[in-house]
Amino acid sequence: QVQLVQSGAEVKKPGSSVKVSCKASGGTFGSYGISWVRQAPGQGLEWMGGIIPIFGTANYAQKFQDRVTITADESTSTAYMELSRLSSEDTAVYYCARVFVDYSRNWRWVWFDPWGQGTLVTVSS
Amino acid sequence: QSALTQPASVSGSPGQSITISCTGTSDDVGFYNLVSWYQHHPGKAPKLLIYEDSRRPSGVSNRFSGSKSGNTASLTISGLQAEDEADYYCCSYAGRSTSVFGGGTKLTVL
Repeated sequence: QVQLVQSGAEVKKPGSSVKVSCKASGGTFGSYGISWVRQAPGQGLEWMGGIIPIFGTANYAQKFQDRVTITADESTSTAYMELSRLSSEDTAVYYCARVFVDYSRNWRWVWFDPWGQGTLVTVSS
Repeated sequence: QSALTQPASVSGSPGQSITISCTGTSDDVGFYNLVSWYQHHPGKAPKLLIYEDSRRPSGVSNRFSGSKSGNTASLTISGLQAEDEADYYCCSYAGRSTSVFGGGTKLTVL
């Protein structure tokens, strides 16, 4: 059974970048997608973007379009999310999640499961 | 890509049923039959409860059920138990390989 294991907590300065990894343990990505979702303190879940590793195509939420880059390395079954120009508002727990993609229905994203354990990113001067 | 609208909180007593609504638009919830629901206990990873509006993954209790009418989806939890106390999020496919979450609902079991 696939589990997603994320990299450890990070503390970053405003204006810098952070790169969080998400490795599939006990299996591979297969034809699934990987999505990134964050939760700021006291806030709800927020979809940031995702990628389908076998195709390498990434899509992003408009809010993060110019600051986030999501990549994946199929050979190591690891996905990455890099967020640039960090500010205090980016302090959050970042989750990766496996996405079931329905290729028979225009590549629609159906569900997120399982999720990684979360990575706390703290942005502070 | 505006967040879906959920009530901030709901509550119920053990054994009762509660329903959480999730309102989107005709571009997301109302267009696709792709609403999913997640249970999130603080400090843990979210858990998939419902997908495709009303389907339940194997291993998820049948006390959890989903439905949808127009632009509003709903999650019903019957026979409330103490361990159901958590945050609940809806999510909808929004086209072009994008998704949108609701703001979340905190469930308190009295």
